[in-house]
Amino acid sequence: AQTVTQSQPEMSVQEAETVTLSCTYDTSESNYYLFWYKQPPSRQMILVIRQEAYKQQNATENRFSVNFQKAAKSFSLKISDSQLGDTAMYFCASLAGNTGNQFYFGTGTSLTVIP
Amino acid sequence: GAVVSQHPSRVICKSGTSVKIECRSLDFQATTMFWYRQFPKQSLMLMATSNEGSKATYEQGVEKDKFLINHASLTLSTLTVTSAHPEDSSFYICSARGPGHSLSYEQYFGPGTRLTVT
Repeated sequence: AQTVTQSQPEMSVQEAETVTLSCTYDTSESNYYLFWYKQPPSRQMILVIRQEAYKQQNATENRFSVNFQKAAKSFSLKISDSQLGDTAMYFCASLAGNTGNQFYFGTGTSLTVIP
Repeated sequence: GAVVSQHPSRVICKSGTSVKIECRSLDFQATTMFWYRQFPKQSLMLMATSNEGSKATYEQGVEKDKFLINHASLTLSTLTVTSAHPEDSSFYICSARGPGHSLSYEQYFGPGTRLTVT
């Protein structure tokens, strides 16, 4: 089984500033993936970034980057140069690599970017 | 890219009636579809997994007789909420994966359906 924990229900950040969202996970799988999904008010789930657990290098996608600490089972998301459009719910999720069908989602962090 | 649609986007029904929600893969064949439920300000919880032509596999605690899932074609899965009650009011999201998506993480989400039972 896998569990994902997000301990920050709500966060806010000033436009153009940097914010970090926390996520910890637990899994017995040796091969797994970690994700950050964004859910704006439209409710459409949008993939922000993906990290393969076997890769040591932290994933980056433009203004979004992760800090993947495998030993600590930590997977935080850093958003640089925050924009108003970044306002959304952010879900951390895990998925088993070999047999996984099911995403395990955290409870989400509601991020508000303040103009 | 892979696109998944849901219809309707919003539906209101009376208690005791049944309502059907459709999930379609628009540009790929979805051999596997997943149905999630999301309560307000909460996370997504997997309800069931359906493979085309097979019976759906339901997660523990999900009533299969209440939430009927049909995945009769490679582009369409339906979720029917039978004898709906106000506590079934929720946001229902589907995701889909096809044979061309060899990696387990390649799942594509639909935009969701807001169900309100009055």
